[in-house]
Amino acid sequence: QQQVKQSPQSLIVQKGGISIINCAYENTAFDYFPWYQQFPGKGPALLIAIRPDVSEKKEGRFTISFNKSAKQFSLHIMDSQPGDSATYFCAASSTDSWGKLQFGAGTQVVVTP
Amino acid sequence: DGGITQSPKYLFRKEGQNVTLSCEQNLNHDAMYWYRQDPGQGLRLIYYSQIVNDFQKGDIAEGYSVSREKKESFPLTVTSAQKNPTAFYLCASSINRVSGELFFGEGSRLTVL
Repeated sequence: QQQVKQSPQSLIVQKGGISIINCAYENTAFDYFPWYQQFPGKGPALLIAIRPDVSEKKEGRFTISFNKSAKQFSLHIMDSQPGDSATYFCAASSTDSWGKLQFGAGTQVVVTP
Repeated sequence: DGGITQSPKYLFRKEGQNVTLSCEQNLNHDAMYWYRQDPGQGLRLIYYSQIVNDFQKGDIAEGYSVSREKKESFPLTVTSAQKNPTAFYLCASSINRVSGELFFGEGSRLTVL
């Protein structure tokens, strides 16, 4: 079964709007939570990542919010642009898992002009 | 330019044939991984290797085999025992098991007719 549950499966947002993607996990040993961005026909690329010692991390228009007690984390894309249209994956791993990432099912984001 | 090269990008094979997908990296990374991507299921780990001449099964290793004879190379063979081999295959590497960030290749799309 999927160790990281991601929602929604897809979302459509207007240019300038906010895209929000949520992920939840059960394994309390997870201590690294990255988000990957994938364009059609390409491999995923790391977008932003967080460790559980902080509750929020911001890089440009992308922000991760992390709630350790709820075992949830989310990606916010502010001022969404058509170039942000892609599939986004959350993931999680633990230090003792030899770098193996458990991925969510992905969210396809479409930003309309 | 450093990176991960996967070949071929597209591959068609008849049922019952073994297929080998190539993955080469010039990033001098210790760890390498193979993931399978299916629509709506995210990325699932097939095999991973932390060091030359050593590799471990991931979550869905049945019907696949790998080798790691050189640090730069981690080929994946999809055998005839794999019941549903049609998928997008992604190779990735990381500096070591602690670093977290995976660098992905552009993928190989295998279609079994």
